[in-house]
Amino acid sequence: SYELTQPPSVSVSPGQTASITCSGDKLEDTFTFWYQQKPGQSPILVMYQDSARPSGIPERFSGSKSGNTATLTISGAQAMDEADYYCQAWDSSTAVFGGGTKLTVL
Amino acid sequence: VQLVESGGGLAQRGGSLRLSCAASGFSFRTYVMTWVRQAPGKGLEWVSTIRGSGSTYYADSVKGRFTVSSDKTKNTLFLQMNSLRAEDTAVYYCVKLGYCSGGSCEDAFDVWGQGTMVTVSS
Repeated sequence: SYELTQPPSVSVSPGQTASITCSGDKLEDTFTFWYQQKPGQSPILVMYQDSARPSGIPERFSGSKSGNTATLTISGAQAMDEADYYCQAWDSSTAVFGGGTKLTVL
Repeated sequence: VQLVESGGGLAQRGGSLRLSCAASGFSFRTYVMTWVRQAPGKGLEWVSTIRGSGSTYYADSVKGRFTVSSDKTKNTLFLQMNSLRAEDTAVYYCVKLGYCSGGSCEDAFDVWGQGTMVTVSS
């Protein structure tokens, strides 16, 4: 089955840049989506089509992809960005999520 | 735009539950709807999708046990869960698929409900 691999955790100091990667064999041929989930809350969409930012998502969030690796970058990370982040892609009509990355801002 | 799940609770192994999701604020019949679950302390797992055409899709882990359906007259999505297992214990989210901007819609999960907890006791 298709898998997306994310690092379990990433740490960043406030104001610095955090990068969260997502790797998968078929990512080169499909779009990547990113979701943010804070404790006790439902996920929200923070990036779609690899690098498009939904309305309301701060400009410090950006996305990119190179080959089979997608990256979510948070420039000038803030305490409010501390959350779990999940990448997601489509394998035909099946949605596949990465295992999630816990971003710690300290 | 709002999605409100209900129907979660405690079920015995081998038992059944039916989840509902009431949708409002958008044209329910137009969008693809999905169920995503999250086991306690774990990541997100896609469960099932239903298209406006009625086509349905299931994760291998629930195929043959879960059935997704919708009532377009009541703007409600359902998930019938049978033969429940301990590993089905999770928060179940109802999710609208389709982020639309500038006249086009992309296959992103753009609206999530608050989730309903399902606990299967062994």
